[in-house]
Amino acid sequence: KNEVEQSPQNLTAQEGEFITINCSYSVGISALHWLQQHPGGGIVSLFMLSSGKKKHGRLIATINIQEKHSSLHITASHPRDSAVYICAVRSNYGGSQGNLIFGKGTKLSVKP
Amino acid sequence: DAGVTQSPTHLIKTRGQHVTLRCSPISGHKSVSWYQQVLGQGPQFIFQYYEKEERGRGNFPDRFSARQFPNYSSELNVNALLLGDSALYLCASSFNRGGEQFFGPGTRLTVL
Repeated sequence: KNEVEQSPQNLTAQEGEFITINCSYSVGISALHWLQQHPGGGIVSLFMLSSGKKKHGRLIATINIQEKHSSLHITASHPRDSAVYICAVRSNYGGSQGNLIFGKGTKLSVKP
Repeated sequence: DAGVTQSPTHLIKTRGQHVTLRCSPISGHKSVSWYQQVLGQGPQFIFQYYEKEERGRGNFPDRFSARQFPNYSSELNVNALLLGDSALYLCASSFNRGGEQFFGPGTRLTVL
């Protein structure tokens, strides 16, 4: 079982829809990241959070430390939101401290 | 201010060859991490360097090595290339070991 699991793997939405991507993890963490990766490979950091909720524009990220779960929400989705969204956790144990463990990503396609 | 830069952008090698990938962190950042992303998967941690010392190593064979220079730039070296080394190699920099990581555009390595 992967240490970081994302769902769904693929998601197709119509423009304007509210989107939720989920992330569950099984290791102790100091922080959780949500990243966006466009075709071609470049990765952009959307959020880094260790508790509660953060909002940036149409994006909202929440984390529940007790349940080891995080969600990324996109409101009023737009075709330009089409990308792969990756959840990554920063482990807090032993020699791996500070390193990121990634989920496999959720491929989002927003149709006009 | 320039972001994280990587060179080369693309690279084609044959089995058994050696490759060197380069990364320049954001100015002021002292930590560099390397990740391998195979097609369809999330990135996997290879190395973290901080203040020119190796601070973490992922589950990769000894064919993989890296170093960090006094100006905090870094090189990733891979010897005796295998077909399975074909991947996108990502570099990320952060101010310190536990700080938010900022990713470069990646180097796409193809091994024939």
